[in-house]
Amino acid sequence: GAVVSQHPSWVICKSGTSVKIECRSLDFQATTMFWYRQFPKQSLMLMATSNEGSKATYEQGVEKDKFLINHASLTLSTLTVTSAHPEDSSFYICSASSRVSEAFFGQGTRLTVV
Amino acid sequence: GIQVEQSPPDLILQEGANSTLRCNFSDSVNNLQWFHQNPWGQLINLFYIPSGTKQNGRLSATTVATERYSLLYISSSQTTDSGVYFCAVEGITGGFKTIFGAGTRLFVKA
Repeated sequence: GAVVSQHPSWVICKSGTSVKIECRSLDFQATTMFWYRQFPKQSLMLMATSNEGSKATYEQGVEKDKFLINHASLTLSTLTVTSAHPEDSSFYICSASSRVSEAFFGQGTRLTVV
Repeated sequence: GIQVEQSPPDLILQEGANSTLRCNFSDSVNNLQWFHQNPWGQLINLFYIPSGTKQNGRLSATTVATERYSLLYISSSQTTDSGVYFCAVEGITGGFKTIFGAGTRLFVKA
């Protein structure tokens, strides 16, 4: 299957700082990338959808100014958690797809805000 | 939006037992996938199965799109099968979003 690489795998940051997470499709061009958030023992909740070269579409309840998404190329999308607070601590995971096909997921990023 | 329900929520098996996990969805889908999430959080693609039946070793899956459900069969379970199994669907409407069910948490005892 296709490979999606997410970096970093884990990060600890101080409250008030910003953290950037990268999601790369290594062997295919991803027209669409998705960002999810997962709290312990819960399912994956879709945060936003990003298409290359256009603004991301955020799900209801997700603060677009808090979670900045950039999809600069067909192989790279970034999620920046701005002014992070302890309640932003979570597992963030991206996926990439090329239209009507299966989605492939990165390995996830475990964010801890102290 | 499309709703995805998985059952059972939790399942405990003795090693060697068989099991069936179910996924019901509320609307027509473009695709349906089954994943296994390992203890480190990595989602492992098990099946891409918008319709029909597929098999991969001890695992098989069947999706009956007209009746809006999918089944994941695990035969001769092993302790390494433990983890969370997710069903995820992309609805025909809604912009190519993959929506996850709540998952089935499986524990296989030695």
